[in-house]
Amino acid sequence: AQKVTQAQTEISVVEKEDVTLDCVYETRDTTYYLFWYKQPPSGELVFLIRRNSFDEQNEISGRYSWNFQKSTSSFNFTITASQVVDSAVYFCALGSYNNNDMRFGAGTRLTVKP
Amino acid sequence: GAGVSQSPRYKVAKRGQDVALRCDPISGHVSLFWYQQALGQGPEFLTYFQNEAQLDKSGLPSDRFFAERPEGSVSTLKIQRTQQEDSAVYLCASNTGQGFGELFFGEGSRLTVL
Repeated sequence: AQKVTQAQTEISVVEKEDVTLDCVYETRDTTYYLFWYKQPPSGELVFLIRRNSFDEQNEISGRYSWNFQKSTSSFNFTITASQVVDSAVYFCALGSYNNNDMRFGAGTRLTVKP
Repeated sequence: GAGVSQSPRYKVAKRGQDVALRCDPISGHVSLFWYQQALGQGPEFLTYFQNEAQLDKSGLPSDRFFAERPEGSVSTLKIQRTQQEDSAVYLCASNTGQGFGELFFGEGSRLTVL
C-alpha cells in the first residue's frame, strides 16, 4: 500500500528563520515519484517539485531545497530565510509509475510571522 | 484562461439534493483527475480519466458519486442525494498524460451540505 506521512501538523516560525518540513513515504513500487505542492489560502495546489525514485540528488531552487533519502524513505523540504509569503499548507505526495493514483499526506500548515 | 477552471467555486446543498461540479482542464491535457479534500486533510483520489475513458474510479466513496468526461475535455462530477459527509472541497487536476508529470490543479469547488 502507498502511504505518505507528514508528522508535523502545524509549524510556526518567525521571518528569516529556516524551516524543514518532513515527509515519510511507504510504497512497494520500485519506480515512483515524489512531489511537493503548496496550497495557499486561495485553495489552488501549486506544484513545487517532482523527483523520481532513481534520482536521489538533492535539489535547490532559490530558497527551497529538497533532501531525498531512499534509505529512510524520506523526502524533506527546507525553506531557507522564510518569508511571510511562504505561509501556506504544504503537501507531500507519492505517485506510482503503475497507476495514476497520487497519494497525498495530510499536509503541514506553515505560518511565517513578520 | 490558461489554467484548470472549476465551477461553481462554492455550492451549498440541502441534504438529499443532487449536485454537479464542473471541471474545464487545460486545453490539450489528456489526463484528468478528481480529488476530494476534507477540511484539514490532504486531497484524496476519487477518479481518473484518460481522454473520455474513465480508467480508475476506485476512489469514489459510493455509488452516489459519478463522473463523466464525454468528449475528453470538460468533466462533470455528480453527487446524488448528498449527505453531510460529502461536504468537502472537490479538486480537479489535469496533465499531459505523458509519464507521471506534475498535476495542474484548479482552485476547487467547496461543497457544503446542510
